[in-house]
Amino acid sequence: KQEVTQIPAALSVPEGENLVLNCSFTDSAIYNLQWFRQDPGKGLTSLLLIQSSQREQTSGRLNASLDKSSGRSTLYIAASQPGDSATYLCAVSTDSWGKLQFGAGTQVVVTP
Amino acid sequence: DAGITQSPRHKVTETGTPVTLRCHQTENHRYMYWYRQDPGHGLRLIHYSYGVKDTDKGEVSDGYSVSRSKTEDFLLTLESATSSQTSVYFCAISESRDEQFFGPGTRLTVL
Repeated sequence: KQEVTQIPAALSVPEGENLVLNCSFTDSAIYNLQWFRQDPGKGLTSLLLIQSSQREQTSGRLNASLDKSSGRSTLYIAASQPGDSATYLCAVSTDSWGKLQFGAGTQVVVTP
Repeated sequence: DAGITQSPRHKVTETGTPVTLRCHQTENHRYMYWYRQDPGHGLRLIHYSYGVKDTDKGEVSDGYSVSRSKTEDFLLTLESATSSQTSVYFCAISESRDEQFFGPGTRLTVL
């Protein structure tokens, strides 16, 4: 069974510092990996989708890398802002139906 | 934002009563999913649908049933609610089984 792990569970950084969030998965046979953001009491917002054939994806200040062979993905957020405070979740799809297996998330606090 | 709504947004019910949650989309996406989110367990898939009247079970399907009679609506039913089904329920949609977009969630409390 696929296991998805996110370490650390919580992270606090001062404004302006770069954020590095880690996601690892046990089975490298994935279709894709998706990063989400969740604000308290809200739904999930899709940030980046990386297909299994890709090594990275970028959107604005966000960059996500994927190393399937080692079972790892990293989300980089450049020049963090207080508005980046949220919980960040990664999820992998391991079959053709798009079913997602989620990590527990990393709770990020960016202090002014 | 993807056009996904969930209703009700909050519900309190008693053990043993039936409950139906609705997910409605305006994107005409083929794939729809129901997840539940619980502290200590994260998000887990309950059921999913790959077309009208085509559904299948996810990781935690016991005690739940689903129906999809129209592309835009995916219903999740708890036939006889239990306290262990207290959770936040999220619906998601996908056009091509790739990027998934999530609804705002329904907070269900079973007393």
